[in-house]
Amino acid sequence: GAVVSQHPSRVICKSGTSVKIECRSLDFQATTMFWYRQFPKQSLMLMATSNEGSKATYEQGVEKDKFLINHASLTLSTLTVTSAHPEDSSFYICSAHQGSGQPQHFGDGTRLSIL
Amino acid sequence: GNSVTQMEGPVTLSEEAFLTINCTYTATGYPSLFWYVQYPGEGLQLLLKATKADDKGSNKGFEATYRKETTSFHLEKGSVQVSDSAVYFCALNPQGGSEKLVFGKGTKLTVNP
Repeated sequence: GAVVSQHPSRVICKSGTSVKIECRSLDFQATTMFWYRQFPKQSLMLMATSNEGSKATYEQGVEKDKFLINHASLTLSTLTVTSAHPEDSSFYICSAHQGSGQPQHFGDGTRLSIL
Repeated sequence: GNSVTQMEGPVTLSEEAFLTINCTYTATGYPSLFWYVQYPGEGLQLLLKATKADDKGSNKGFEATYRKETTSFHLEKGSVQVSDSAVYFCALNPQGGSEKLVFGKGTKLTVNP
């Protein structure tokens, strides 16, 4: 079945550090990937839609300069949290789908902790 | 707009009990409907889906039927196991949309031995 790999699974770093999270579709091509943020005991909040070869589309209230998204190939999207602060600590999850109307497949998530 | 309303948890059951988690939706057109499951510390896994009215999705003993007349997609399982303990999310993909998923708030299920 379709597999999405997300790396790293956990990051602990100091305030002010920039952190890059990778999302790869392992056995299919994904022109579109999605990045979500999940707070404890809450649902997923869509942050942005990552489009291969073009700029990401950010949801309202999400700072594009804070959360940089690059979708350089059909199998890789990256999310960089720039100059991270403790309030950026969260669980970040990516997803991708194989085509229109197909279900999204999710990565295992990245637990980001900023000290 | 599009929205998903899910039964609030947490839900605690004994092993072999019957499970129902209610989900209703609001959407224009004919959305696709999904149930995802999230085990502790992990991402989401697709549990089952239905793409049109009266479709029944099923997987691992779980079932949900797409009911257009009641705009519902309730999740059921006849006999839960301890390993079913997880958070369950109902979601929809609007018809003709940008493939963005709209999620319910999630329902935490705990199954005790």
